[in-house]
Amino acid sequence: SQTIHQWPATLVQPVGSPLSLECTVEGTSNPNLYWYRQAAGRGLQLLFYSVGIGQISSEVPQNLSASRPQDRQFILSSKKLLLSDSGFYLCAWTPQGQTQYFGPGTRLLVL
Amino acid sequence: GEDVEQSLFLSVREGDSSVINCTYTDSSSTYLYWYKQEPGAGLQLLTYIFSNMDMKQDQRLTVLLNKKDKHLSLRIADTQTGDSAIYFCAENTGFQKLVFGTGTRLLVSP
Repeated sequence: SQTIHQWPATLVQPVGSPLSLECTVEGTSNPNLYWYRQAAGRGLQLLFYSVGIGQISSEVPQNLSASRPQDRQFILSSKKLLLSDSGFYLCAWTPQGQTQYFGPGTRLLVL
Repeated sequence: GEDVEQSLFLSVREGDSSVINCTYTDSSSTYLYWYKQEPGAGLQLLTYIFSNMDMKQDQRLTVLLNKKDKHLSLRIADTQTGDSAIYFCAENTGFQKLVFGTGTRLLVSP
């Protein structure tokens, strides 16, 4: 069966520090991968998605970037965090479109 | 662009039925979904409906789809305190992406 992992689960970082969040999927190959951000009490905002290795689509201009160095690995990064980057970051995967399955999320607090 | 709209909050008593409503944007959406998010957790797929269906029932869950009005609803029968969560509807508009609603917070009181 397929599983999706995210780490870390929780992260507290100072403003201006770098960021690296990791998402990996097991039990499937060539998935579509997604990064979402959920601000407190708000809905989901799609940040990036990838349909293959090295292929990244950005949905909104921002302080973040994404990379997909391996088929089942998706990384969310920042060179310098802002206060507004705080939120709950969710990774999701789908077997080539249609239903998306979500990871457990990473809670990021920027101070 | 247009948003997928949901009411923000719903409060029911344990044992009652809950109905969560959603208005989506794209009449050509092929699949429509309901996800549940418990506090501090990711989203859990509850159910989905294909656009050529009007209704789908899965145990305590009933999904109704009105394509003419672009209206989707989720009915939870015999609501339990464990059903307290945020519920998101989502539509598949193609292009490998889902568009999510704003979420409805369901509070079930004993």
